[in-house]
Amino acid sequence: QKEVEQNSGPLSVPEGAIASLNCTYSDRGSQSFFWYRQYSGKSPELIMFIYSNGDKEDGRFTAQLNKASQYVSLLIRDSQPSDSATYLCAVMTSGSARQLTFGSGTQLTVLP
Amino acid sequence: DVKVTQSSRYLVKRTGEKVFLECVQDMDHENMFWYRQDPGLGLRLIYFSYDVKMKEKGDIPEGYSVSREKKERFSLILESASTNQTSMYLCASKRATDTQYFGPGTRLTVL
Repeated sequence: QKEVEQNSGPLSVPEGAIASLNCTYSDRGSQSFFWYRQYSGKSPELIMFIYSNGDKEDGRFTAQLNKASQYVSLLIRDSQPSDSATYLCAVMTSGSARQLTFGSGTQLTVLP
Repeated sequence: DVKVTQSSRYLVKRTGEKVFLECVQDMDHENMFWYRQDPGLGLRLIYFSYDVKMKEKGDIPEGYSVSREKKERFSLILESASTNQTSMYLCASKRATDTQYFGPGTRLTVL
């Protein structure tokens, strides 16, 4: 079983809709959770992080964490074509504070 | 702003050549990482370093070596490049419990 799993997609949503991206992780002791956005041919850039159970909002982005169920999600409200990218979930596991474990990414396409 | 730079955006080398990829960060981060990213395989960790002259193998170290002589610089070395090392190489750095910041990437093609 992979340590961090994401649906690979592709996920397509119409412009203005809510895009929902999900991630599950296997290490129950994981502390910190991150979402990166990666445009084609570019390197990943951090867009959200969350440490505590519940929701964290930043503009059109909301990260949701449920440690009991071991999942973290990213909601993108009012999706724009510029949001079309691959979204990577990353988890700082309990074993080492020095590195993150990445999921394989979900490709999102927002249709105009 | 954290800045992570990589020596080349695009690189073309021939099979058997020795290849050096350099990464520099300007935020005094202790930890630095080298990944490769291939379609369908995601990010795979090659090596990381948590201090000067310290290194640890990641998931796929075979065919690679690294060097960290100064805190701000982490080099990835392909001793004898092969075609299966054609990939996007990403460097990242971080503090101990902080997130990672990535460089722009080097797209390496080995002919």
